[in-house]
Amino acid sequence: SQTIHQWPATLVQPVGSPLSLECTVEGTSNPNLYWYRQAAGRGLQLLFYSVGIGQISSEVPQNLSASRPQDRQFILSSKKLLLSDSGFYLCAWTKAGGPADTQYFGPGTRLTVL
Amino acid sequence: AQTVTQSQPEMSVQEAETVTLSCTYDTSESNYYLFWYKQPPSRQMILVIRQEAYKQQNATENRFSVNFQKAAKSFSLKISDSQLGDTAMYFCAFTDSGGGADGLTFGKGTHLIIQP
Repeated sequence: SQTIHQWPATLVQPVGSPLSLECTVEGTSNPNLYWYRQAAGRGLQLLFYSVGIGQISSEVPQNLSASRPQDRQFILSSKKLLLSDSGFYLCAWTKAGGPADTQYFGPGTRLTVL
Repeated sequence: AQTVTQSQPEMSVQEAETVTLSCTYDTSESNYYLFWYKQPPSRQMILVIRQEAYKQQNATENRFSVNFQKAAKSFSLKISDSQLGDTAMYFCAFTDSGGGADGLTFGKGTHLIIQP
């Protein structure tokens, strides 16, 4: 069966510091991968998605970036964090190709920028 | 652009009652997919139910069912025999059929509280 991991689970970082959040999927190959952010009391906002290694699409202009160095690894990064980057970050995957399929979510990372 | 609206920020019902959560959406697509996700206090997003727009039959999953009205662009979730474990945030979500690569568009959620 497929599983999705995210780490760290919780992170507290000062403003201006770098960020690296990691997401990995097991039990499938060539998944579509997604990063979402959930601000306090709000729904999820799609940040990036990827249909393959090195292929990244950005939905929202911001100081975050994403990379996919391996088939089942998706990384969210920032060179300098802002206070507004605080939130809950969720990674998700779905099967590639064919009709739109259900997205399965990881456990999330709670990021607090101070 | 697609939008998803959940007009009930919070709802509270007694255990064993039936509750209906509302969701409306706006799209120019003719084929698309709708989802209800549950987010308990652990914040893990869990799929509750999925509906394909080209299917007229409403989806059901045990105590969970939907009322899908395509012409009205409405997609409500009914929870029967509600249980304490149903307490959570519920999000309605939408995606079109574009090759499965597009992300989900979410509503702002409904906080459902099941009272003992």
